[in-house]
Amino acid sequence: DSGVTQTPKHLITATGQRVTLRCSPRSGDLSVYWYQQSLDQGLQFLIQYYNGEERAKGNILERFSAQQFPDLHSELNLSSLELGDSALYFCASSGLAGGGEQYFGPGTRLTVT
Amino acid sequence: AQSVSQHNHHVILSEAASLELGCNYSYGGTVNLFWYVQYPGQHLQLLLKYFSGDPLVKGIKGFEAEFIKSKFSFNLRKPSVQWSDTAEYFCAVTQGSTGTASKLTFGTGTRLQVTL
Repeated sequence: DSGVTQTPKHLITATGQRVTLRCSPRSGDLSVYWYQQSLDQGLQFLIQYYNGEERAKGNILERFSAQQFPDLHSELNLSSLELGDSALYFCASSGLAGGGEQYFGPGTRLTVT
Repeated sequence: AQSVSQHNHHVILSEAASLELGCNYSYGGTVNLFWYVQYPGQHLQLLLKYFSGDPLVKGIKGFEAEFIKSKFSFNLRKPSVQWSDTAEYFCAVTQGSTGTASKLTFGTGTRLQVTL
């Protein structure tokens, strides 16, 4: 157990819908990262928040957004869902603003039908 | 942009065989290097990491990796694999110094299957 929690574990929804994925970092970690894992794209970095502020952005679609709240938990919002958004979404946390090891949560498996 | 290459996509070994998984990265500056393992149906777990110092790093479960700067490589090794090592292994890199770098760039992963 890494200490990073994610909910829900599984999510099945229809195209065009909007979902919210939630992540709680390890106690004391200020950085939260979001990654998408799919068969064709592999593991791709989406976005990072550090102590409530967006710090780095990767291959995140405009339909996707994230935020980090004062209690340091983070939410990833995915809207206008398409079949191709079906993937595993991982959250990771780190004690540093960047460069240190990241600890991964169990992931949310999103299936868009 | 930096990239990470893992040459072996699928490796099949018998128990007690030695393992070496290749990893090369394409960034010329300061890097931090990691190997993660993903057991079937589970999340990514950190096996080992390299920030600086001794280029031979030891991780959990008997794994080790060697950083060779001149070859831009960070190969993972284990002298004797066990059936329980069956998993997918990912090499990852962040660029820059600790505290300034950010995202992990992952390789495509190597699926290791250990047979009894």
